[in-house]
Amino acid sequence: ETGVTQSPTHLIKTRGQQVTLRCSSQSGHNTVSWYQQALGQGPQFIFQYYREEENGRGNFPPRFSGLQFPNYSSELNVNALELDDSALYLCASSSRPFAGGLETQYFGPGTRLLVL
Amino acid sequence: AQTVTQSQPEMSVQEAETVTLSCTYDTSESDYYLFWYKQPPSRQMILVIRQEAYKQQNATENRFSVNFQKAAKSFSLKISDSQLGDAAMYFCAYRSPRDMRFGAGTRLTVKP
Repeated sequence: ETGVTQSPTHLIKTRGQQVTLRCSSQSGHNTVSWYQQALGQGPQFIFQYYREEENGRGNFPPRFSGLQFPNYSSELNVNALELDDSALYLCASSSRPFAGGLETQYFGPGTRLLVL
Repeated sequence: AQTVTQSQPEMSVQEAETVTLSCTYDTSESDYYLFWYKQPPSRQMILVIRQEAYKQQNATENRFSVNFQKAAKSFSLKISDSQLGDAAMYFCAYRSPRDMRFGAGTRLTVKP
């Protein structure tokens, strides 16, 4: 069983640029959720994708967007980067979305983004 | 909006002793789940224990147990027989059908 993987591990961008982060879900999982974890804080829910459709979104602006592919891997895109976007970005996969009941999410190791 | 509060930024416990981490949450929903996650310094988040809100019985996983007080909206984590490997950030989390919220975390130190 392959775990959740994310790439890249670290990334440095400048303000105004765009970034794409990638997540490969665990084998057999069709749901991916993305979180932003600022330094010293708990993760904040960005959005969830279930079977290639967005299935819930937290309080993040539209410049945060995502995709899920037929193999259930996912991308997080952030446009017009701001300094406050510097954070650890976590993805988590599961075999059902939040509304599907008690389901364990498996987290990836994260991508550390620094915006200068 | 649902919020999750962890009032203890840091806790310390002696190896083999018991420690309790506090968590309160605020919600008007009836259908939700509660979780405790552990994030070691390597940063990969790991599920420790989970609880369905409709179940009155407190969840237990080996040395980890919860005290779920639904009316008080409290969900504390008890770690028994603490081990050095328990040292990590612990996050309490609330999940509804369309949302998930985490607390700010409690850093647990285990002293040998």
